Amino acid sequence: DIQMTQSPASLSASLGETVTIECLASEDIYSNLAWYQQKPGKSPQLLIYYANSLNDGVPSRFSGSGSGTQYSLKINSLQSEDVSIYFCQQNYDSPYTFGAGTKLELK
Amino acid sequence: EVQLVESGGGLVQPGRSMKLSCAASGFTFNNYDMAWVCQAPKKGLEWVATISYDGSSTYYRDSVKGRFTISRDNAKSTLYLQMDSLRSEDTATYYCARRSDYYYDGTYYYYFDYWGQGVMVTVSS
Repeated sequence: DIQMTQSPASLSASLGETVTIECLASEDIYSNLAWYQQKPGKSPQLLIYYANSLNDGVPSRFSGSGSGTQYSLKINSLQSEDVSIYFCQQNYDSPYTFGAGTKLELK
Repeated sequence: EVQLVESGGGLVQPGRSMKLSCAASGFTFNNYDMAWVCQAPKKGLEWVATISYDGSSTYYRDSVKGRFTISRDNAKSTLYLQMDSLRSEDTATYYCARRSDYYYDGTYYYYFDYWGQGVMVTVSS
């Protein structure tokens, strides 16, 4: 199985700050990577697919990058509504594994 | 508006069965592969199973192979998950999700673009 190692596990940042979340795959996943946001008590929502394509309706302060085994999600100008847990997921090979999640809180 | 509404969860004893349903609306159901993803309490997400748009192909994670069956009724726009021989470790919120794809340079890139609200399954005596 492809392991997805996400870091950091938790993150505290101030409003307006820029944050970056990393995801490392145990093998090359050829940009078959998606990022999801899950707010407390809600279902996950798609943010990014194909490593760097922004889903419809997602604010442009979110961006994704990376290739091979290393990927990142960047949030510019942090807003209060960005407090969530963020997950990466590889869709390259079954089982389609998720990272353990990054809990983003406001400082 | 795309909507996925799960039902059928609850408390079940170990070794027993339960069937989840996911009613889809707002899109052409038989054009899309569908999936189930679960999340144990306070834990991360785990892909469970995927079914192709026409039901001809199914895929499962190893821990549920032989116990869970994913199926669909395209006439009713409904996805199902039949869960047999349930174990305590199957306790989780189960989400149905629509699988979409992005085609570029000869390759499909998959992702789950819509998720239901989730249904809780508790396996306990």
